[in-house]
Amino acid sequence: NAGVTQTPKFQVLKTGQSMTLQCAQDMNHNSMYWYRQDPGMGLRLIYYSASEGTTDKGEVPNGYNVSRLNKREFSLRLESAAPSQTSVYFCASRGGQGANTIYFGEGSWLTVV
Amino acid sequence: GESVGLHLPTLSVQEGDNSIINCAYSNSASDYFIWYKQESGKGPQFIIDIRSNMDKRQGQRVTVLLNKTVKHLSLQIAATQPGDSAVYFCAENILGGYQKVTFGTGTKLQVIP
Repeated sequence: NAGVTQTPKFQVLKTGQSMTLQCAQDMNHNSMYWYRQDPGMGLRLIYYSASEGTTDKGEVPNGYNVSRLNKREFSLRLESAAPSQTSVYFCASRGGQGANTIYFGEGSWLTVV
Repeated sequence: GESVGLHLPTLSVQEGDNSIINCAYSNSASDYFIWYKQESGKGPQFIIDIRSNMDKRQGQRVTVLLNKTVKHLSLQIAATQPGDSAVYFCAENILGGYQKVTFGTGTKLQVIP
């Protein structure tokens, strides 16, 4: 049981390049999330998916797109990376009705130069 | 707007002493609170949670106290160990509703050997 796994761990992009962060969970959770973490800002929600087939914007969705490929996988795409998107990105998941604990992946360190 | 915040950004504690990490929240509708631990280079890890119908909950070496009157949450760690060194986040949520969790900015706990 690996929990939440995300790739890549580290990535350096040039401004304007695109990339996709991959995330998968093996806990059969319905809900999945993408957060970014910046110094002094805490975790901010980018997008979330309450269940397979649905996605919704969080606090800071601009510049990102997501895909809930199936129940296991939830990817985050940067179409045209900007230096302001330099951050640590965390994928997370949560179980079904009545489940409240969010489980996080190990993070993806992204630098846009 | 609503927010979750922490009183102390950094806390230094002697090994073996007890640690107390504080958190203030402002959303009076929140009814579920969580503490996470984040070690350097890793994702946040669930420690303990508490519902608003409780004022205290104990785990292994950790206790969470909730004071709804002053909207205050604290995490107590007994007999602090070097492995407790990390950043600790409090988070708030509304059970059964929108699945967004609001995180505080974190307190760094430094354990002095």
